[in-house]
Amino acid sequence: GAVVSQHPSWVICKSGTSVKIECRSLDFQATTMFWYRQFPKQSLMLMATSNEGSKATYEQGVEKDKFLINHASLTLSTLTVTSAHPEDSSFYICSAFEGALETQYFGPGTRLLVL
Amino acid sequence: SQKIEQNSEALNIQEGKTATLTCNYTNYSPAYLQWYRQDPGRGPVFLLLIRENEKEKRKERLKVTFDTTLKQSLFHITASQPADSATYLCALDSGYSTLTFGKGTMLLVSP
Repeated sequence: GAVVSQHPSWVICKSGTSVKIECRSLDFQATTMFWYRQFPKQSLMLMATSNEGSKATYEQGVEKDKFLINHASLTLSTLTVTSAHPEDSSFYICSAFEGALETQYFGPGTRLLVL
Repeated sequence: SQKIEQNSEALNIQEGKTATLTCNYTNYSPAYLQWYRQDPGRGPVFLLLIRENEKEKRKERLKVTFDTTLKQSLFHITASQPADSATYLCALDSGYSTLTFGKGTMLLVSP
Protein backbone atom coordinates (compact mmCIF):
# COMPACT_ATOMS: atom_id res chain seq x y z
CA GLY A 1 0.00 0.00 0.00
CA ALA A 2 0.81 3.74 -0.03
CA VAL A 3 2.21 3.87 -3.55
CA VAL A 4 2.94 7.16 -5.30
CA SER A 5 3.74 7.41 -8.98
CA GLN A 6 5.35 10.21 -10.93
CA HIS A 7 5.34 10.86 -14.64
CA PRO A 8 7.49 11.34 -16.59
CA SER A 9 10.53 9.77 -14.95
CA TRP A 10 12.84 11.93 -17.01
CA VAL A 11 12.43 14.77 -19.48
CA ILE A 12 14.75 16.79 -21.68
CA CYS A 13 13.47 20.09 -23.02
CA LYS A 14 14.67 23.23 -24.70
CA SER A 15 15.14 26.45 -22.79
CA GLY A 16 11.95 28.52 -22.75
CA THR A 17 9.50 25.63 -22.94
CA SER A 18 7.17 24.47 -20.18
CA VAL A 19 7.22 21.03 -18.61
CA LYS A 20 4.44 19.35 -16.63
CA ILE A 21 5.12 16.66 -14.04
CA GLU A 22 2.31 14.52 -12.62
CA CYS A 23 2.17 12.99 -9.16
CA ARG A 24 -0.46 10.39 -8.29
CA SER A 25 -1.31 8.55 -5.11
CA LEU A 26 -2.39 5.14 -6.41
CA ASP A 27 -4.02 3.43 -3.46
CA PHE A 28 -4.91 6.21 -1.04
CA GLN A 29 -6.35 9.68 -1.09
CA ALA A 30 -4.11 12.59 -0.22
CA THR A 31 -5.46 15.98 0.66
CA THR A 32 -1.88 17.18 0.96
CA MET A 33 0.97 16.60 -1.46
CA PHE A 34 4.44 18.08 -1.46
CA TRP A 35 6.94 19.00 -4.16
CA TYR A 36 10.68 18.86 -3.57
CA ARG A 37 13.77 19.38 -5.64
CA GLN A 38 17.11 17.78 -5.02
CA PHE A 39 20.52 18.73 -6.38
CA PRO A 40 23.36 16.19 -6.48
CA LYS A 41 24.63 15.23 -3.04
CA GLN A 42 22.17 17.62 -1.42
CA SER A 43 19.13 17.10 0.72
CA LEU A 44 15.55 17.32 -0.45
CA MET A 45 14.43 20.93 -0.44
CA LEU A 46 10.72 21.55 -0.05
CA MET A 47 9.38 23.76 -2.81
CA ALA A 48 5.69 23.88 -2.04
CA THR A 49 2.81 22.25 -0.21
CA SER A 50 -0.18 21.41 -2.35
CA ASN A 51 -3.63 21.11 -0.78
CA GLU A 52 -6.53 19.66 -2.72
CA GLY A 53 -8.94 22.32 -3.84
CA SER A 54 -6.91 25.30 -2.67
CA LYS A 55 -3.84 27.27 -3.66
CA ALA A 56 -0.42 25.84 -3.02
CA THR A 57 1.82 27.24 -0.31
CA TYR A 58 5.29 28.04 -1.60
CA GLU A 59 8.50 28.06 0.41
CA GLN A 60 10.55 31.22 0.60
CA GLY A 61 12.53 31.82 -2.55
CA VAL A 62 10.37 29.62 -4.79
CA GLU A 63 8.65 31.58 -7.56
CA LYS A 64 5.00 30.62 -7.70
CA ASP A 65 4.60 31.97 -11.24
CA LYS A 66 7.44 29.78 -12.44
CA PHE A 67 6.46 26.60 -10.64
CA LEU A 68 2.71 26.22 -11.10
CA ILE A 69 1.05 23.65 -8.88
CA ASN A 70 -2.44 22.24 -9.35
CA HIS A 71 -4.01 19.75 -6.92
CA ALA A 72 -7.36 19.21 -8.57
CA SER A 73 -8.22 15.85 -7.05
CA LEU A 74 -7.41 13.77 -4.00
CA THR A 75 -5.06 11.58 -6.03
CA LEU A 76 -3.39 13.96 -8.46
CA SER A 77 -1.10 16.97 -8.18
CA THR A 78 0.81 18.51 -11.06
CA LEU A 79 3.88 20.73 -11.15
CA THR A 80 4.46 22.82 -14.26
CA VAL A 81 7.87 24.40 -14.74
CA THR A 82 7.14 27.39 -16.96
CA SER A 83 9.70 28.89 -19.32
CA ALA A 84 12.31 26.44 -18.14
CA HIS A 85 15.96 27.47 -18.06
CA PRO A 86 19.11 25.37 -17.61
CA GLU A 87 19.29 26.33 -13.93
CA ASP A 88 15.93 24.58 -13.45
CA SER A 89 17.59 21.28 -14.30
CA SER A 90 17.23 19.12 -11.22
CA PHE A 91 15.58 16.06 -9.70
CA TYR A 92 11.98 16.82 -8.79
CA ILE A 93 10.25 14.55 -6.28
CA CYS A 94 6.68 14.61 -5.07
CA SER A 95 5.18 13.05 -1.98
CA ALA A 96 1.66 12.41 -0.74
CA PHE A 97 0.66 12.56 2.90
CA GLU A 98 -1.10 9.47 4.22
CA GLY A 99 -3.04 10.90 7.14
CA ALA A 100 -3.79 7.67 8.98
CA LEU A 101 -0.10 6.77 9.07
CA GLU A 102 1.09 10.37 9.48
CA THR A 103 3.70 9.70 6.84
CA GLN A 104 4.75 11.10 3.49
CA TYR A 105 5.14 8.57 0.70
CA PHE A 106 7.36 9.61 -2.15
CA GLY A 107 7.22 9.19 -5.88
CA PRO A 108 10.21 7.86 -7.80
CA GLY A 109 11.23 11.33 -8.96
CA THR A 110 11.53 13.14 -12.29
CA ARG A 111 14.88 14.09 -13.73
CA LEU A 112 14.58 17.36 -15.69
CA LEU A 113 17.31 18.51 -18.04
CA VAL A 114 16.88 21.88 -19.72
CA LEU A 115 19.17 22.49 -22.68
CA SER B 1 18.11 28.61 13.15
CA GLN B 2 16.83 25.07 12.82
CA LYS B 3 19.44 22.54 11.87
CA ILE B 4 19.54 18.81 11.19
CA GLU B 5 22.94 17.15 11.08
CA GLN B 6 23.78 13.75 9.71
CA ASN B 7 27.28 12.41 9.29
CA SER B 8 28.29 13.61 5.85
CA GLU B 9 31.03 11.01 5.50
CA ALA B 10 30.06 7.64 4.09
CA LEU B 11 29.88 4.78 6.56
CA ASN B 12 31.69 1.68 5.40
CA ILE B 13 30.99 -1.57 7.20
CA GLN B 14 31.35 -5.25 6.57
CA GLU B 15 28.44 -7.54 5.85
CA GLY B 16 26.92 -8.99 8.99
CA LYS B 17 27.93 -6.08 11.24
CA THR B 18 25.55 -3.53 12.75
CA ALA B 19 25.43 -0.12 11.08
CA THR B 20 24.65 2.87 13.30
CA LEU B 21 23.73 6.21 11.79
CA THR B 22 23.27 9.44 13.73
CA CYS B 23 20.87 12.33 13.36
CA ASN B 24 21.31 15.40 15.56
CA TYR B 25 19.08 18.44 15.53
CA THR B 26 18.98 21.89 17.08
CA ASN B 27 16.24 24.45 17.57
CA TYR B 28 13.51 21.92 16.93
CA SER B 29 10.83 20.39 19.06
CA PRO B 30 9.56 17.76 16.66
CA ALA B 31 6.47 15.74 17.38
CA TYR B 32 8.04 12.87 15.49
CA LEU B 33 11.08 11.90 13.50
CA GLN B 34 11.28 9.69 10.44
CA TRP B 35 13.97 7.72 8.64
CA TYR B 36 13.97 7.16 4.89
CA ARG B 37 16.18 5.24 2.51
CA GLN B 38 17.15 6.75 -0.83
CA ASP B 39 18.83 4.92 -3.68
CA PRO B 40 20.64 6.87 -6.44
CA GLY B 41 18.21 8.51 -8.84
CA ARG B 42 15.15 7.40 -6.85
CA GLY B 43 12.71 8.97 -4.44
CA PRO B 44 13.02 8.28 -0.69
CA VAL B 45 11.37 5.18 0.75
CA PHE B 46 9.80 5.41 4.20
CA LEU B 47 11.33 3.13 6.83
CA LEU B 48 10.33 4.11 10.35
CA LEU B 49 8.54 6.82 12.31
CA ILE B 50 9.18 7.45 16.00
CA ARG B 51 7.22 9.85 18.16
CA GLU B 52 8.58 12.22 20.78
CA ASN B 53 7.18 10.09 23.61
CA GLU B 54 8.76 6.89 22.27
CA LYS B 55 12.31 5.91 23.16
CA GLU B 56 12.80 3.09 20.70
CA LYS B 57 11.11 1.47 17.76
CA ARG B 58 11.95 -1.70 15.84
CA LYS B 59 11.05 -3.17 12.50
CA GLU B 60 12.72 -6.39 11.43
CA ARG B 61 16.48 -5.61 11.30
CA LEU B 62 15.95 -1.89 11.87
CA LYS B 63 15.95 -0.07 15.18
CA VAL B 64 15.50 3.63 15.86
CA THR B 65 16.03 5.49 19.12
CA PHE B 66 14.91 9.02 19.88
CA ASP B 67 16.38 11.06 22.72
CA THR B 68 14.63 14.43 22.94
CA THR B 69 16.97 15.55 25.74
CA LEU B 70 20.08 14.97 23.65
CA LYS B 71 18.16 16.00 20.50
CA GLN B 72 19.42 12.91 18.77
CA SER B 73 18.16 9.86 16.93
CA LEU B 74 20.18 6.75 16.22
CA PHE B 75 19.31 4.39 13.38
CA HIS B 76 20.62 0.84 13.53
CA ILE B 77 20.66 -1.88 10.89
CA THR B 78 21.62 -5.24 12.35
CA ALA B 79 23.12 -8.09 10.32
CA SER B 80 23.75 -5.65 7.49
CA GLN B 81 23.75 -6.84 3.89
CA PRO B 82 25.20 -5.35 0.69
CA ALA B 83 21.59 -4.65 -0.37
CA ASP B 84 21.36 -2.21 2.56
CA SER B 85 23.85 0.07 0.80
CA ALA B 86 22.05 3.37 0.19
CA THR B 87 21.73 6.89 1.56
CA TYR B 88 19.67 7.15 4.73
CA LEU B 89 17.80 10.36 5.44
CA CYS B 90 16.57 11.65 8.76
CA ALA B 91 13.50 13.90 8.63
CA LEU B 92 11.82 15.94 11.33
CA ASP B 93 8.25 17.01 11.49
CA SER B 94 8.10 20.78 11.11
CA GLY B 95 4.37 20.96 11.78
CA TYR B 96 1.31 20.62 9.54
CA SER B 97 2.66 17.31 8.20
CA THR B 98 5.68 19.10 6.72
CA LEU B 99 9.09 17.42 6.94
CA THR B 100 12.56 18.91 6.96
CA PHE B 101 15.31 16.56 5.82
CA GLY B 102 18.93 16.14 6.75
CA LYS B 103 21.49 15.70 3.98
CA GLY B 104 21.68 11.98 4.58
CA THR B 105 24.44 9.50 5.29
CA MET B 106 25.64 7.06 2.67
CA LEU B 107 26.02 3.51 3.93
CA LEU B 108 28.25 1.06 2.07
CA VAL B 109 28.10 -2.57 3.12
CA SER B 110 30.85 -4.68 1.64
CA PRO B 111 30.61 -8.47 1.24
